[in-house]
Amino acid sequence: DSGVTQTPKHLITATGQRVTLRCSPRSGDLSVYWYQQSLDQGLQFLIQYYNGEERAKGNILERFSAQQFPDLHSELNLSSLELGDSALYFCASSVAPRGPSTDTQYFGPGTRLTVL
Amino acid sequence: DAKTTQPPSMDCAEGRAANLPCNHSTISGNEYVYWYRQIHSQGPQYIIHGLKNNETNEMASLIITEDRKSSTLILPHATLRDTAVYYCIVISGNQFYFGTGTSLTVIP
Repeated sequence: DSGVTQTPKHLITATGQRVTLRCSPRSGDLSVYWYQQSLDQGLQFLIQYYNGEERAKGNILERFSAQQFPDLHSELNLSSLELGDSALYFCASSVAPRGPSTDTQYFGPGTRLTVL
Repeated sequence: DAKTTQPPSMDCAEGRAANLPCNHSTISGNEYVYWYRQIHSQGPQYIIHGLKNNETNEMASLIITEDRKSSTLILPHATLRDTAVYYCIVISGNQFYFGTGTSLTVIP
């Protein structure tokens, strides 16, 4: 158990809908990262938040957005869903923003999103 | 961005050492090498990381060549539970770039 929790575990929805995925980081971790893992693309970094502020952006679609709240939990919002958005979505957390020093990321169990 | 190259798959006999290679020829001086593994769609699990020196922890050893262009993850006594996809990652700024990894199968 990494200490990172994600809800829900599974989510099934229809095209065009909007969903919210939730992540609670490990106690004491200030950074939250979101990743998407689809069958044909592997693990793709989406976005990072550090202490409530956006820190880094990866391959995140404009239909997707995220935020980190004062209690440090994070939500990933996916809108106008398409079939191709079906994937595993992982959240990870770390103590601090990455810089010259190391900062290990610990991953949650993921949310499996199925868009029908 | 530094990229990594790993063999797509490997087999290892149970109880033997598993040696998983990774090439990262474009790594720069301050970039770390991290290893994670993913067991059947679970969240990736941290294994070990290093910069220049060899590292060992309770899970594995990491051997980094002197020129830092390649590394090897060693699982000293592989068990069936070590069957997973192993990712070698070079950090670039704030981001992890996961490649396709090596699918390790431990055979009884």
